[in-house]
Amino acid sequence: EADIYQTPRYLVIGTGKKITLECSQTMGHDKMYWYQQDPGMELHLIHYSYGVNSTEKGDLSSESTVSRIRTEHFPLTLESARPSHTSQYLCASSDQRGNYGYTFGSGTRLTVV
Amino acid sequence: AQKVTQAQTEISVVEKEDVTLDCVYETRDTTYYLFWYKQPPSGELVFLIRRNSFDEQNEISGRYSWNFQKSTSSFNFTITASQVVDSAVYFCALSDTYTGTASKLTFGTGTRLQVTL
Repeated sequence: EADIYQTPRYLVIGTGKKITLECSQTMGHDKMYWYQQDPGMELHLIHYSYGVNSTEKGDLSSESTVSRIRTEHFPLTLESARPSHTSQYLCASSDQRGNYGYTFGSGTRLTVV
Repeated sequence: AQKVTQAQTEISVVEKEDVTLDCVYETRDTTYYLFWYKQPPSGELVFLIRRNSFDEQNEISGRYSWNFQKSTSSFNFTITASQVVDSAVYFCALSDTYTGTASKLTFGTGTRLQVTL
């Protein structure tokens, strides 16, 4: 049973559209993360959050934005989707110390045509 | 800067063979955590193990075992008697341990394991 939920699971969308990828967790974790995964498998951190009203950019520059208004919710938004945004997006959360590993969602596979 | 290297991009084995996935890491921290995750074709990342940098004991869990050697900065993962269900991409990861801040995981590039009959 998943404790972190991502929707949609798959999304095909046209260039220029605005999209929001949803991520919610029920574990009360303060820390949440968004990773972008290449077709070549490599995972890149694009955003993270320490807690409510805290967001930071990750190691890989991304045109997406995030918000953290509630502890359990960490949506990612692309204002104008482009084919270069085609990727898998994985959301994760961890406890305060972050040292017990991340719990990952099932991912959203985004295709921009 | 932290770095995790998984030199093996892809490994193919026949069922029942043993296979070892290599992981080498770099960090300036004296305290850190190492992880292994499994990503099956369905896409989610599944946590397998966490290892504290102070604990160099090897660990065995069923057919899985992990060999942590601080002297060589390696944290290798062995699957004994591999099965088709083990086919997946396996990621090694390293975490910093700064209290009060987001502990970010640095992932390796993954090793794709294909187990055939």
